[in-house]
Amino acid sequence: KAGVTQTPRYLIKTRGQQVTLSCSPISGHRSVSWYQQTPGQGLQFLFEYFSETQRNKGNFPGRFSGRQFSNSRSEMNVSTLELGDSALYLCASSLGGAIIDGYTFGSGTRLTVV
Amino acid sequence: AQSVTQLGSHVSVSEGALVLLRCNYSSSVPPYLFWYVQYPNQGLQLLLKYTSAATLVKGINGFEAEFKKSETSFHLTKPSAHMSDAAEYFCAVSDPQSSNSGYALNFGKGTSLLVTP
Repeated sequence: KAGVTQTPRYLIKTRGQQVTLSCSPISGHRSVSWYQQTPGQGLQFLFEYFSETQRNKGNFPGRFSGRQFSNSRSEMNVSTLELGDSALYLCASSLGGAIIDGYTFGSGTRLTVV
Repeated sequence: AQSVTQLGSHVSVSEGALVLLRCNYSSSVPPYLFWYVQYPNQGLQLLLKYTSAATLVKGINGFEAEFKKSETSFHLTKPSAHMSDAAEYFCAVSDPQSSNSGYALNFGKGTSLLVTP
């Protein structure tokens, strides 16, 4: 059974550019969450989608956005990149989206902004 | 908002020794609590979870944690450390009664476990 797949694994972008990260959840999972991990701030919740609807959003600026497609795949977009956006972005999927189900995380996309 | 505090950003144990990683939560109601492990260049793997059933929770790889409401703690233990246990460990909390944060995990800062021969 394939796990959560995130692409690309590594990405280098220039300040001011925009970036799109992709996440394919485990087959059958309908909930996808995104987290940002940095050495300074740790793991921070970005947003969660279930059946193409955003159910919850973390405390991030509007430059961070996401969406979920009918096949449950999800993308997150960051516009006007800043140096501080350099981080490991983790995607997690869950069968029904309930916290008690536990989330399965992907290996992440490491974004470096220069 | 729910939060967790992990005491000790680095913990070092000898192989075969007891592993104890500390986690305290702030909550007025019993939360959902989780322990995740992260190996270098990988995502997070769920070790165990507390969802208001048994207070002693057994997880994978020989780890277990005990929910203590009186101490607002959910410490992670393993009787005997293996070299392969060296990793970053994260405690996380979620409020089951919150409609806003019910789908989000609040993570602690993490504890790096070093296992020495």
